[in-house]
Amino acid sequence: AQKITQTQPGMFVQEKEAVTLDCTYDTSDQSYGLFWYKQPSSGEMIFLIYQGSYDEQNATEGRYSLNFQKARKSANLVISASQLGDSAMYFCAMREPPGGSARQLTFGSGTQLTVLP
Amino acid sequence: KAGVTQTPRYLIKTRGQQVTLSCSPISGHRSVSWYQQTPGQGLQFLFEYFSETQRNKGNFPGRFSGRQFSNSRSEMNVSTLELGDSALYLCASSLWGVNEQFFGPGTRLTVL
Repeated sequence: AQKITQTQPGMFVQEKEAVTLDCTYDTSDQSYGLFWYKQPSSGEMIFLIYQGSYDEQNATEGRYSLNFQKARKSANLVISASQLGDSAMYFCAMREPPGGSARQLTFGSGTQLTVLP
Repeated sequence: KAGVTQTPRYLIKTRGQQVTLSCSPISGHRSVSWYQQTPGQGLQFLFEYFSETQRNKGNFPGRFSGRQFSNSRSEMNVSTLELGDSALYLCASSLWGVNEQFFGPGTRLTVL
C-alpha cells in the first residue's frame, strides 16, 4: 500500500505568490516523522522542513511551513512568496518511527513546481 | 562544513559489468543511507549503515551490496548490471538520533 501520496504531479505558481503542495500519508504508528525535500534539476535532494508526529506546532523554516493535520493524515508544504529559484521537484517523505534504528525514508512520487515570472 | 560527496558523478557501464559507488558523509555523521531514484519507481531505499554495520535493507536483490568503513565513508556495489539498474543513486548522511538526513549530489549510472 502506498504510504505517501502526492496527488499533484505538476504545479504552477506566479512569482511572489504562495503555493501549497499536498501530501497525505498512511501509517499505523503513533510515532513518525514527516519531511519535505526539494530536488532541483541538478539532482541533489535539499532538506526543507521536518514535522514530528508529536509536535504540537506546525513546523516553519523561513518561507516554508508545514500544515500538519494529524487526524486527516496530511502534511502539506506551504511556500510563501515564491521565487524563480523555487522551481524544482518537491518530495514528501515519512520515517517511522522517527528515532531508533530505522532511518529509512519512504518518499512520495513528487510534485514538479514551476514558478512563473 | 563540507556536504555529502559522491563519486563518481556520472558512470556508464554495460550489462553484466559491476560497479562501485562511493559516498563520503558530512564530517561527524556516522549514519549513511543509500537510495535509488528512477523515473518508474521513484525514490527507493537501498540500505543504511551505522558504525560499519548494515542496520536496514530495502527490497533489492542480492546484486546490490554495500559497506561502511571506519571513517564512515560508504560504498555500494552492484554486480551483474542490468538495464533496469540505470538510475540516480543518492547517498544521505545523518547524525545518529537526529532526524534530518542530508543528501549528496548523487551518481547517475547508465547501463547500456
